[in-house]
Amino acid sequence: LPVLTQPPSASALLGASIKLTCTLSSEHSTYTIEWYRQRPGRSPQYIMKVKSDGSHTKGDGIPDRFMGSSSGADRYLTFSNLQSDDEAEYHCGESHTIDGQVGYVFGTGTKVTVL
Amino acid sequence: QVQLVESGGGVVQPGGSLRLSCAASGFIFSNFGMHWVRQAPGKGLEWVAFIHNDGSNKHHADSVKGRFTISRDNSKNTLYLQMNSLRPEDTALYYCAKDRAATGLEYFQHWGQGTLVIVSS
Repeated sequence: LPVLTQPPSASALLGASIKLTCTLSSEHSTYTIEWYRQRPGRSPQYIMKVKSDGSHTKGDGIPDRFMGSSSGADRYLTFSNLQSDDEAEYHCGESHTIDGQVGYVFGTGTKVTVL
Repeated sequence: QVQLVESGGGVVQPGGSLRLSCAASGFIFSNFGMHWVRQAPGKGLEWVAFIHNDGSNKHHADSVKGRFTISRDNSKNTLYLQMNSLRPEDTALYYCAKDRAATGLEYFQHWGQGTLVIVSS
């Protein structure tokens, strides 16, 4: 199964930018991933899909200050002008088909703190 | 707008059963694949099961295969998860989620608020 690795935490100052990383296992380095945001006590929310070529497709209502990019097996979520309500857990995930069986794997999540 | 409302959670003893429901509105339910995703207390997300828009194909995570069954009733706009042989490690908040597509697992475009399942003696 693919493995997605995320650092457990990240922080930045209010108004600054922050770049989150999701690393795919090497044999799955060309996979597309999705980013989700989960504010404290809330359900996850789809943010965007990021492909291996760096192109990305955002969900409805996601502001322009959220951007996606890629480098090798790494997929990034960058957001600028950090706001207090950006404090959340950010999950990456990817879908796959193995031996005809469909599945989805999530990373362990990165908790973002706004200083 | 899309609304997904889960119900049916509760406290159950190990080895017991529960059936979760998810009432969908605000979109054409029969046009989209649907999922169950769970989150144990203080932990990350775990995909549980996926069903095609017409119910013809179902996929379950290895951790629940043979114990849980996803199903849907398109006439009632409702998604179900039948959970049997429950274990303490199944304790989690169970989310219903709508896929972007009908038959391919793409991603979780919309999520419900979740229903809590606690497996404990």
